[in-house]
Amino acid sequence: AQSVTQLGSHVSVSEGALVLLRCNYSSSVPPYLFWYVQYPNQGLQLLLKYTSAATLVKGINGFEAEFKKSETSFHLTKPSAHMSDAAEYFCAVSERGYNKLIFGAGTRLAVHP
Amino acid sequence: GAVVSQHPSWVICKSGTSVKIECRSLDFQATTMFWYRQFPKQSLMLMATSNEGSKATYEQGVEKDKFLINHASLTLSTLTVTSAHPEDSSFYICSANKQGPGTDTQYFGPGTRLTVL
Repeated sequence: AQSVTQLGSHVSVSEGALVLLRCNYSSSVPPYLFWYVQYPNQGLQLLLKYTSAATLVKGINGFEAEFKKSETSFHLTKPSAHMSDAAEYFCAVSERGYNKLIFGAGTRLAVHP
Repeated sequence: GAVVSQHPSWVICKSGTSVKIECRSLDFQATTMFWYRQFPKQSLMLMATSNEGSKATYEQGVEKDKFLINHASLTLSTLTVTSAHPEDSSFYICSANKQGPGTDTQYFGPGTRLTVL
């Protein structure tokens, strides 16, 4: 069965600092991996996805993530945090050929001046 | 492209009444639509998967007679919470997959907040 673990339910960074949100997955087959962002009382917006092309994936708003099969990880990074990045971030996995998404518990990112 | 809307964005109802939530893909045809439930400060839990013209597939533990899903067309799915009770209060989010390229990606609606008094 597939599962997703997001280490750290809360992450706090200073404006301008590096953002690192961790995601590890468990899957018996090479998965598709996604990062979504959710602002308060809103739906989810796709940041980026990995579906078997380049292992380093660039997304919107300056975010990127690297798929590391050996570590079963798909960590999300951004070189310089902005106040507007404060939100809830969800990592999700799906099995290739199937659309069902399994979400991690989420990481709340706080950005302080 | 790939915009998904939900209506209403919020609803308050009395216990025992039924509430219908609509999910529409505005600029694409959706092969599949999904319904999620999210409790405060928690992750999304998949409730059911629906395909146009066929019965929805419910996740384990989700009462299909309580949460009725109708997928009438390639752009519209509805979730009806029947005989709602306070414990059904939650944030309900739908998503949809595109047909053709990009079918691996789910596009999410803005959510509907249901409060049952």
